[in-house]
Amino acid sequence: AQSVTQPDARVTVSEGASLQLRCKYSYSGTPYLFWYVQYPRQGLQLLLKYYSGDPVVQGVNGFEAEFSKSNSSFHLRKASVHWSDSAVYFCALSMPNYNVLYFGSGTKLTVEP
Amino acid sequence: GALVYQYPRRTICKSGTSMRMECQAVGFQATSVAWYRQSPQKTFELIALSTVNSAIKYEQNFTQEKFPISHPNLSFSSMTVLNAYLEDRGLYLCGAIDSSGNTLYFGEGSRLIVV
Repeated sequence: AQSVTQPDARVTVSEGASLQLRCKYSYSGTPYLFWYVQYPRQGLQLLLKYYSGDPVVQGVNGFEAEFSKSNSSFHLRKASVHWSDSAVYFCALSMPNYNVLYFGSGTKLTVEP
Repeated sequence: GALVYQYPRRTICKSGTSMRMECQAVGFQATSVAWYRQSPQKTFELIALSTVNSAIKYEQNFTQEKFPISHPNLSFSSMTVLNAYLEDRGLYLCGAIDSSGNTLYFGEGSRLIVV
């Protein structure tokens, strides 16, 4: 069965620092992978997605993620975070031909001034 | 562009009563709709996947008897939470999948508060 693991429930970084949020997946084939962000009291916003091709995908607001089949990972990165990036970030997976998302448990990011 | 509207945005209901929420796809044809629940401080659990002209597939721990879903056409779906209790609190998200099958568009969610 497929699953997504986000090992860090909470991450705190200083404004201007670099960021990596970890995501590991379990799936026998090559999944479609996504990162979503949820701001307080809001729904989900798509940051970026990976279907195939270049393993590094660019998203909105300077975010990028790198797919690694050998590590079964899809970590999210940002070179320099801003206080407005504070939110909960969800990694998600879907299977080709079955486009329902399965979500990780989320990582709450706090950016300190 | 493709948009998904959910309403109501927020509902307070008494324990044991029911709440119906709606999901409207605008600008594309929603061949499938996935309903999710995010309980307080938790992640998004898939409740069911509804595809027009096909049977609705419920995930483990969710049943049609508790969460009946209607998906009558390519732009509209509704789900009811029957006999809502405290454990049903949370944000219910509708994700509509377009006809290419490649993109899932989310609404803003319907928040259920049970008192």
